[in-house]
Amino acid sequence: QKEVEQDPGPLSVPEGAIVSLNCTYSNSAFQYFMWYRQYSRKGPELLMYTYSSGNKEDGRFTAQVDKSSKYISLFIRDSQPSDSATYLCAMSAIQGAQKLVFGQGTRLTINP
Amino acid sequence: GAGVSQSPSNKVTEKGKDVELRCDPISGHTALYWYRQSLGQGLEFLIYFQGNSAPDKSGLPSDRFSAERTGGSVSTLTIQRTQQEDSAVYLCASSLTFGLFQETQYFGPGTRLLVL
Repeated sequence: QKEVEQDPGPLSVPEGAIVSLNCTYSNSAFQYFMWYRQYSRKGPELLMYTYSSGNKEDGRFTAQVDKSSKYISLFIRDSQPSDSATYLCAMSAIQGAQKLVFGQGTRLTINP
Repeated sequence: GAGVSQSPSNKVTEKGKDVELRCDPISGHTALYWYRQSLGQGLEFLIYFQGNSAPDKSGLPSDRFSAERTGGSVSTLTIQRTQQEDSAVYLCASSLTFGLFQETQYFGPGTRLLVL
């Protein structure tokens, strides 16, 4: 079983819809939770970054972390065609190597 | 300023050949990371550098893989005697420093390696 599980999709929604992306994890040592967005043939770019449990909002994006359930989510409101990309969750422990453990990525398409 | 750059963008090689992949981190970033992104596998950590030293090589899949970093800047990932299962996108990332807290990692565009 992988440390981080993420449904690879693909997920296709109409423009303007609310999108919910999720990851589950098994390592209770994870303290830092990130969402990266990756456009085709590009490197991942950091979208949201959360420490420990709670919510964080940035414009149309909201990240939620529930450490008791080992479950994180990313919500995209008023989705736009430009949001079409692969979304990767990533996590790391508070100490030790700063390597990120990634989910498989969810491929999202927003249809105009 | 310039972001992380990687070269070559694409590499096609024959099974059994050696390949070298290069990464130029963001200027001033002391930490550098290599990841591999395979179809259906997501991103897998390979190795990271703090300065020129590599405290964690745990992700290197076999002894055919090695990496070095010189001058605290450029890094090279070398794959010897390439196999078809080495085909993947190799991503490099850098961050400002290394410490107790998670620093943002900035990724390059990757090198797409195809082993025939």
